[in-house]
Amino acid sequence: ETGVTQTPRHLVMGMTNKKSLKCEQHLGHNAMYWYKQSAKKPLELMFVYNFKEQTENNSVPSRFSPECPNSSHLFLHLHTLQPEDSALYLCASSQEAVAGGRNTQYFGPGTRLTVL
Amino acid sequence: AQSVTQLDSHVSVSEGTPVLLRCNYSSSYSPSLFWYVQHPNKGLQLLLKYTSAATLVKGINGFEAEFKKSETSFHLTKPSAHMSDAAEYFCVVSGSGNTPLVFGKGTRLSVIA
Repeated sequence: ETGVTQTPRHLVMGMTNKKSLKCEQHLGHNAMYWYKQSAKKPLELMFVYNFKEQTENNSVPSRFSPECPNSSHLFLHLHTLQPEDSALYLCASSQEAVAGGRNTQYFGPGTRLTVL
Repeated sequence: AQSVTQLDSHVSVSEGTPVLLRCNYSSSYSPSLFWYVQHPNKGLQLLLKYTSAATLVKGINGFEAEFKKSETSFHLTKPSAHMSDAAEYFCVVSGSGNTPLVFGKGTRLSVIA
């Protein structure tokens, strides 16, 4: 596989469920990102990992918990979500996370999450 | 602080006619600017990137954009639209310091046969 892959592509969960989103990049990059894309709103950066270390947490509620075991994999663990968390969750990677985000980011296809 | 404004939320063109998607930015630094495209149920794909080299940037699929500092604009153009160009387009400006990328709200391009 090439580029950035995400699984699952679609997920429906209840508010009491626990689930995880997975992202894998095959580009040899050192930085990985989680974004939330809601209808009618700009992309919202959630988390940034650079060389496996979290460097950005954009005031994300604790019901979202990221994990980056190595530079190629990124997870987003979900628990007790709310219906307003329904969105497309996009993963991206770049060579490394530099100031201002100037390095080109490459995106995965996203996971469409629906919270009932 | 950096900001980006996509002036049109929706643009509709006929197949074979030119495409113009407008983007204005605000930056207190010399910015990097990007255009991404998102087809339905897909992730964002990079079309092109400006990094203070040539002001006219050529991208994939026949798209190009011109950086105009005096107008703080970075409009995306294509001479002739194809049906496959129908998608959502995002203009993005780099942040500064610890500020990450700033995304526009997107412009939906429709192409009419």
